[in-house]
Parts: sequence; structure tokens; C-alpha cells
Amino acid sequence: DIQMTQSPSSLSASVGDRVTITCRASQTISRYLNWYQQQPGKAPKLLIYAASGLQSGVPSRFSGSGSGTDFTLTINSLQPEDFATYYCQQSHSYPRTFGGGTKVEIK
Amino acid sequence: QVQLVQSGSELKKPGASVKVSCKTSGYTFTNYAMNWMRQAPGQGLEWMGWINTNNGNPTYAQGFTGRFVFSLDTSVSTAYLQISSLKAEDTAVYYCTREDMVPSYWGQGTLVTVSS
Repeated sequence: DIQMTQSPSSLSASVGDRVTITCRASQTISRYLNWYQQQPGKAPKLLIYAASGLQSGVPSRFSGSGSGTDFTLTINSLQPEDFATYYCQQSHSYPRTFGGGTKVEIK
Repeated sequence: QVQLVQSGSELKKPGASVKVSCKTSGYTFTNYAMNWMRQAPGQGLEWMGWINTNNGNPTYAQGFTGRFVFSLDTSVSTAYLQISSLKAEDTAVYYCTREDMVPSYWGQGTLVTVSS
């Protein structure tokens, strides 16, 4: 199984900050990497697909990059509604696996 | 528009069974496989497996064999997750999600609570 390692597990940031979350796969997954945002009590929401594709309706301050084993989610100019937990997931092979999550909290 | 609507919260006693439904609309049900995910309280997301909506063939992730069953009723475009012999550690929110290159369609989640 492909292991997905996300870091950091949590971070504190202020409105307007730039935030970077990383995700590392235990083996190459090409660009089969998705990023989700989850608000408390809600289903995950797709932000980025195929490593860098911005899902329709998602603000352009969200961006994704990477290929192979190393990936990054960047949030430029953090907004109040961005305080949430973020997950990466590989869709290269079964079983689909998720990173452990990154909780973005208000500083 | 595409919708995945899951059944409501369930409270069950240990040893009982539960069946969660995921009713779909807005697309051809048999064109996309269905995944199931689990999220225990305060924990991350786990992929439980998927079911081929063309032939009903399920695939289960490690740790979700034996007591977990995926099924379909294509006549009503609905997928089901049944869990038998429930244990306290099955307490979680369960999500159905449409398998897709752009995996944006999720059900709203069903909370299953197992408690005596």
C-alpha cells in the first residue's frame, strides 16, 4: 500500500499569511494526488485534483504542485473561512490512501 | 445536478447491524464506481473500498473484510453499506463518494454510533 505522509499535522497562522502543506508518497504516484478541505461536521470538499488542477469554484488563492512523491498545497493570503483541516489523497492505485491531515488554526 | 444523499444518523447497540444508503441522482449510476470512506471521531479519513456499479463486484480494503458489505440497487440508483456485529470502534461517520478523475462528489455523511 502507498503511505501518504502529511506535514505539519497542525499549524497556526494569521489572516493574510501564506501557508504551505506538504504531502509525501511512499512510492511514485505521478500526479495522482488530490487535496481536500474539511470543515468541522462537514464532508470533505475537493480543492485540487491531479496535483495542480483547481476544482471549479475554488478560490485561486489555493494552488497545488508536485509530481512523483512530493506534493505541496499552498494557500496564498489565508482567509477566515480557510481555517479547517486539509487532507491529501493518492488516486494512483488501490487502496486509495489519505494523509493524516493538517489542521490550520488561527494564531 | 449530481447529488449523493445518504441516510440519517443511526444509534445501535453492540452486536447489531446497520445499513447505510447512498441515493444518487443527476447522472447515470452505472457509469461510475462508488467508494466508501470512514472517519472515526476526531480522526482522519480511511478508504474502506469500492463497488463496481456495473456488475456489483465489491473490493474491500484491509480491515474492512468480513463484517462490511457493499451492495447496490441499480433500479433506484442507490448504493448501500451494511455493517454487522457492530462494535464500539465502528462509531464513525461513513461517506459514499463517486469514483471519478475529479473526485468531487461526496455524500453528506452518515453518523453511526454504537453504544450500549
